[in-house]
Amino acid sequence: ETGVTQSPTHLIKTRGQQVTLRCSSQSGHNTVSWYQQALGQGPQFIFQYYREEENGRGNFPPRFSGLQFPNYSSELNVNALELDDSALYLCASSRDRSLGSPLHFGNGTRLTVT
Amino acid sequence: GEDVEQSLFLSVREGDSSVINCTYTDSSSTYLYWYKQEPGAGLQLLTYIFSNMDMKQDQRLTVLLNKKDKHLSLRIADTQTGDSAIYFCAELSGRGGADGLTFGKGTHLIIQP
Repeated sequence: ETGVTQSPTHLIKTRGQQVTLRCSSQSGHNTVSWYQQALGQGPQFIFQYYREEENGRGNFPPRFSGLQFPNYSSELNVNALELDDSALYLCASSRDRSLGSPLHFGNGTRLTVT
Repeated sequence: GEDVEQSLFLSVREGDSSVINCTYTDSSSTYLYWYKQEPGAGLQLLTYIFSNMDMKQDQRLTVLLNKKDKHLSLRIADTQTGDSAIYFCAELSGRGGADGLTFGKGTHLIIQP
């Protein structure tokens, strides 16, 4: 069983640029969520995708957007990068969006904005 | 909004039991989770408990839930050096996955030889 994979593992961008992070969900999982983990903090929910549509969103501005593809893989796009966007971005997949379906996380993409 | 609180550090001797505590504020929480994060890695799901249960045991791990006090604990028996990591408590509200999980800031478990 293949777990959640994310790419790239590390990325350095300049303030104002745009970035795209990618995620392949675990085999058999159709729901993908994205989280931002700042240094020394717990992860914070960005949004969730189910059947290629945004299913829920946390307290993040519209410059954070996403996509889910028919094979359930996903992208996180961040426009107009700010220094505070520097963080570990975690993708998680679940079997479905039911309450009892736990999230399985990838190893994350470390984004540094300079 | 909802909040999850954990102590930042816990130090235990190798071979002893570790007890990591967590409190949460959302009375509509349905599931509560424990995740482990090792340096440079993502989150590993350790165990989770449904809110109508008060205990769950899985090998060396025991989860206790006091729903009245909104208190969750994770006990690791016979703590080993490989257990050294950050442990996150997380809760899922009754509104479901569309609100995402709410995480605490994590407890650093330090193992003394």
